[in-house]
Amino acid sequence: QKEVEQNSGPLSVPEGAIASLNCTYSDRGSQSFFWYRQYSGKSPELIMSIYSNGDKEDGRFTAQLNKASQYVSLLIRDSQPSDSATYLCAVNYFGNEKLTFGTGTRLTIIP
Amino acid sequence: NAGVMQNPRHLVRRRGQEARLRCSPMKGHSHVYWYRQLPEEGLKFMVYLQKENIIDESGMPKERFSAEFPKEGPSILRIQQVVRGDSAAYFCASSPGDRGQAGELFFGEGSRLTVL
Repeated sequence: QKEVEQNSGPLSVPEGAIASLNCTYSDRGSQSFFWYRQYSGKSPELIMSIYSNGDKEDGRFTAQLNKASQYVSLLIRDSQPSDSATYLCAVNYFGNEKLTFGTGTRLTIIP
Repeated sequence: NAGVMQNPRHLVRRRGQEARLRCSPMKGHSHVYWYRQLPEEGLKFMVYLQKENIIDESGMPKERFSAEFPKEGPSILRIQQVVRGDSAAYFCASSPGDRGQAGELFFGEGSRLTVL
């Protein structure tokens, strides 16, 4: 059973629209949640972290966490072509330094 | 360049040879992680090290793979007797070790291993 699940996509969104990326996790002991962006052939880059229930906003990005539903999402407002990438959801379990990653959602912003 | 440095960026080996991948963490970072990424797959944790200590190697295959982070010098991921299934991108990441920031990793550009 996968511990972190994401829709692999591809997800296509028109430029200027809101892109919504979703992630579910299986372990209720999960403590911290992260979104990494990975351009093709490049390294992952942290774009958002969220630790408590609710919303966290940073510029055009909003992370949403619902621990009761074991669900974390990333919203990208005013999507730009430069947002086209694979978005990796990652979870850190309590007492454990390592991250468990989902397989990623490939996002394409259509000009 | 103060980022995580990995080398080589690309490595080609024949089956049965050894591969050595090196990683220098960001300045001031004492924690190093190695992840493997197969084509079209997510990142899989391999090992977490601090200077001279392996903290968590639960993701390392039991045979042929080893890792170290010596007191001086880079962290090294060593793969002995490589097989075609070892072909992947190997990413190193580092963190400052502040538990409040656990999970906020800085990744290197990766080492892409191809086994012929």
